Amino acid sequence: DSGVTQTPKHLITATGQRVTLRCSPRSGDLSVYWYQQSLDQGLQFLIQYYNGEERAKGNILERFSAQQFPDLHSELNLSSLELGDSALYFCASNPLGRMDTQYFGPGTRLTVL
Amino acid sequence: AQSVTQPDIHITVSEGASLELRCNYSYGATPYLFWYVQSPGQGLQLLLKYFSGDTLVQGIKGFEAEFKRSQSSFNLRKPSVHWSDAAEYFCAVRIQGAQKLVFGQGTRLTINP
Repeated sequence: DSGVTQTPKHLITATGQRVTLRCSPRSGDLSVYWYQQSLDQGLQFLIQYYNGEERAKGNILERFSAQQFPDLHSELNLSSLELGDSALYFCASNPLGRMDTQYFGPGTRLTVL
Repeated sequence: AQSVTQPDIHITVSEGASLELRCNYSYGATPYLFWYVQSPGQGLQLLLKYFSGDTLVQGIKGFEAEFKRSQSSFNLRKPSVHWSDAAEYFCAVRIQGAQKLVFGQGTRLTINP
């Protein structure tokens, strides 16, 4: 158990809908990262937040957005969902902003029908 | 373009046999290097990491990896695999100064009894 929690574990929805994925980092970790794992694209970095502020952006679609709240949990919002958004979404966190090791949560599996 | 390559998509070995999983990267300077393991339905667990110093690094679960600068490689090894090692293995790199991890496509390991 990495200490990073993600909810829900599974999510099934329809095209055009909007969903919110939630992540709670390890206690004391200030950085949160979001990754998408899909069959065709593999594991790709989406976005990073550090202490409430966006720090780095990767291959994140404009339909997707994220935020980190004062209690350091983060939410990834996915809107106007398409079939191709079906994937496993991981959250990871760093201890106290150190950049060496990212600890991953168990992921949220999103299925868009 | 910067990339991480894991040439073997799927490897099958017998229980008790030795294992080597290959990883090559293409970056101008030496990045930080990682190996993660993903068991079915689980998140990513860090096996080991290399930042600098001794090029042979020891990890958890009896794994080790060797960094070879001349070959831009960071291969993962284990002298004797166990059935519980069946999983997907990901090599990842992080460029110094960057925030994100860049992952290879993964190698699925199957263990024959």
